[in-house]
Amino acid sequence: KAGVTQTPRYLIKTRGQQVTLSCSPISGHRSVSWYQQTPGQGLQFLFEYFSETQRNKGNFPGRFSGRQFSNSRSEMNVSTLELGDSALYLCASSFTGDNSPLHFGNGTRLTVT
Amino acid sequence: TQLLEQSPQFLSIQEGENLTVYCNSSSVFSSLQWYRQEPGEGPVLLVTVVTGGEVKKLKRLTFQFGDARKDSSLHITAAQPGDTGLYLCAGAKRNNYQLIWGAGTKLIIKP
Repeated sequence: KAGVTQTPRYLIKTRGQQVTLSCSPISGHRSVSWYQQTPGQGLQFLFEYFSETQRNKGNFPGRFSGRQFSNSRSEMNVSTLELGDSALYLCASSFTGDNSPLHFGNGTRLTVT
Repeated sequence: TQLLEQSPQFLSIQEGENLTVYCNSSSVFSSLQWYRQEPGEGPVLLVTVVTGGEVKKLKRLTFQFGDARKDSSLHITAAQPGDTGLYLCAGAKRNNYQLIWGAGTKLIIKP
C-alpha cells in the first residue's frame, strides 16, 4: 500500500511569490491535514480537509489556503511568501480524521529567500 | 498556547543507557499518540494509549498513560543508535478533530 506522497520535496522561492504544494493520501483515507514544522515552533496545525470540506483550521493568516479534490488529493497554497514561511510542510492522512492515527508524508522543504 | 509540555527538549546519551521522556498537561485527553520522526522524514506513529493507567510495550520502548489521562511517558531501555530521532506526543480530545502536539524531544544515542 503506497504511503502519503508529497511533491515537491524541496522548493526555493523568493519573497512575494506564491507556492502550491501537493499531497496524495493513502488510498481510502478521506481526511488530509497540513502542518508547518519549524525548529522554533514545532509542529503547527494549518488545516484539515474531509470529503472536500475544510473541517478545521489552525491559527494562520489568510495567505495560507488549501483545498481537497474528490479523489482526496489535497493542495495547499501560500501567497505573498515571507521569509518566516520557510519551513517543512507536512501532510498527513487518516481514514476519518477525528483523532485517528495520522500517516505522514516526508514533507516539502520550503525555503524563502 | 502550549497545552502539552514535553521534557526534556533535548537528550544525548550513550548506547545502552536508559531514558524517559515525559509529556504533561493540565488537560484530560481521550487518547494520546506517540510519534518518532527521523531526519528528512515525516513522523511515524509508534503507539496510541487510550485508557488511564494503560501500559504498552514496543520492544525496548514502554509507553504509559497517566491514571487521570493528563500525562504520558515513554521509557527506552538499553537505547540503541537506531532510536535516535525526534519524539512527539499528541493528545486527542473528544469532539475535536485537531490533535494537540507537544514540542518534541530530540534524542541522540551515541554509539
